[in-house]
Amino acid sequence: EPEVTQTPSHQVTQMGQEVILRCVPISNHLYFYWYRQILGQKVEFLVSFYNNEISEKSEIFDDQFSVERPDGSNFTLKIRSTKLEDSAMYFCASSDFGSGYIQYFGAGTRLSVL
Amino acid sequence: AQKITQTQPGMFVQEKEAVTLDCTYDTSDPSYGLFWYKQPSSGEMIFLIYQGSYDQQNATEGRYSLNFQKARKSANLVISASQLGDSAMYFCAMREGLASYDKVIFGPGTSLSVIP
Repeated sequence: EPEVTQTPSHQVTQMGQEVILRCVPISNHLYFYWYRQILGQKVEFLVSFYNNEISEKSEIFDDQFSVERPDGSNFTLKIRSTKLEDSAMYFCASSDFGSGYIQYFGAGTRLSVL
Repeated sequence: AQKITQTQPGMFVQEKEAVTLDCTYDTSDPSYGLFWYKQPSSGEMIFLIYQGSYDQQNATEGRYSLNFQKARKSANLVISASQLGDSAMYFCAMREGLASYDKVIFGPGTSLSVIP
């Protein structure tokens, strides 16, 4: 069964460092998303992406964040200068008309900022 | 105002019994979709079931069914014949509108523990 793949599963970084979280969406999907879940809290929307541009972003998604689809398969989330409060589980999701726009999630990347 | 409310922070169920996880939602958009996701302790987010606002029948997927009461704005998840592997966090979520890039809004979740 097709799935969304995220790497790495766990990323540890120092405050102020840049991190790139990687995602390979389901191959025929065209709509991509990033969400985050701070430990013990709700899952929060960060950004949606379609046709090589951002469709919508939340207030969390400030200038420190960026997304990119560098090739036909990867979808990345970059955090330019990490803060302690960026520590969270980051989920990538993808969807398409054929799947009824159901968003399928990856297993997540746990980001720990020290 | 909360868009998605899950009033049960934690639930227990005996193995092989059925359990209902509550979810109410708030939207003024006539077009929306409702989802349930399961998050085991390993952390991944697993899609379980989907109900569209115009769907006439309640959605079912194997042991999962969604009790959709539109007038009451509720979308409860029913798990029949609970198994130990059902122990997890369960999130109710909503997408407002039919646009494919619409974000999904999650509720706070219900932690389900299945007792042998």
